[in-house]
Amino acid sequence: AQKITQTQPGMFVQEKEAVTLDCTYDTSDPSYGLFWYKQPSSGEMIFLIYQGSYDQQNATEGRYSLNFQKARKSANLVISASQLGDSAMYFCAMREGVRTDSWGKLQFGAGTQVVVTP
Amino acid sequence: NAGVTQTPKFQVLKTGQSMTLQCAQDMNHNSMYWYRQDPGMGLRLIYYSASEGTTDKGEVPNGYNVSRLNKREFSLRLESAAPSQTSVYFCASNGDPRRDYGYTFGSGTRLTVV
Repeated sequence: AQKITQTQPGMFVQEKEAVTLDCTYDTSDPSYGLFWYKQPSSGEMIFLIYQGSYDQQNATEGRYSLNFQKARKSANLVISASQLGDSAMYFCAMREGVRTDSWGKLQFGAGTQVVVTP
Repeated sequence: NAGVTQTPKFQVLKTGQSMTLQCAQDMNHNSMYWYRQDPGMGLRLIYYSASEGTTDKGEVPNGYNVSRLNKREFSLRLESAAPSQTSVYFCASNGDPRRDYGYTFGSGTRLTVV
């Protein structure tokens, strides 16, 4: 069963606008971590932001913030003030806790392609 | 530069040929991983190694073997390549998932099997 779901295959956003990328996850483990990665056309995987399941506050890293809604099992990425360089594929990923078979391993969603237009 | 180094960056194989993808990290990480990326499917785990001397199957291990040669190196072998193995392969490493949430990825190997 798919554990990470990204329902937006692609989206366009205008420069300087904010964009929200959706991510929902499925786990019964109480201890897990959620990640967002950026993959530009050059292909490398760039870590953006991390949210632990026990973290009280939503994670923020510069223009990136994670809208963590635990009860809804949602971990949306918000990019504020989009720039042309933000055009890339974005992946949501989850790592479940030590008591699970998937401990230590990242499980990825299918990704969302973002195109920033001038 | 510290990080994860993958070789080769590109490879074209004929069906039935074998090859080994190499991965090395210089961050003294315990855990290493091999993922494949196919269009529309995100990254899927092929094999991983939680520590030197151990390896385990991931989500899509069929057609692959791995070797954790030492703490630094984790190789992925295709014994008899098939067109279905055409993909981009990423190696990643992580220090200790209990403390370190950072995963470092290599730049990828683009493999085409014809």
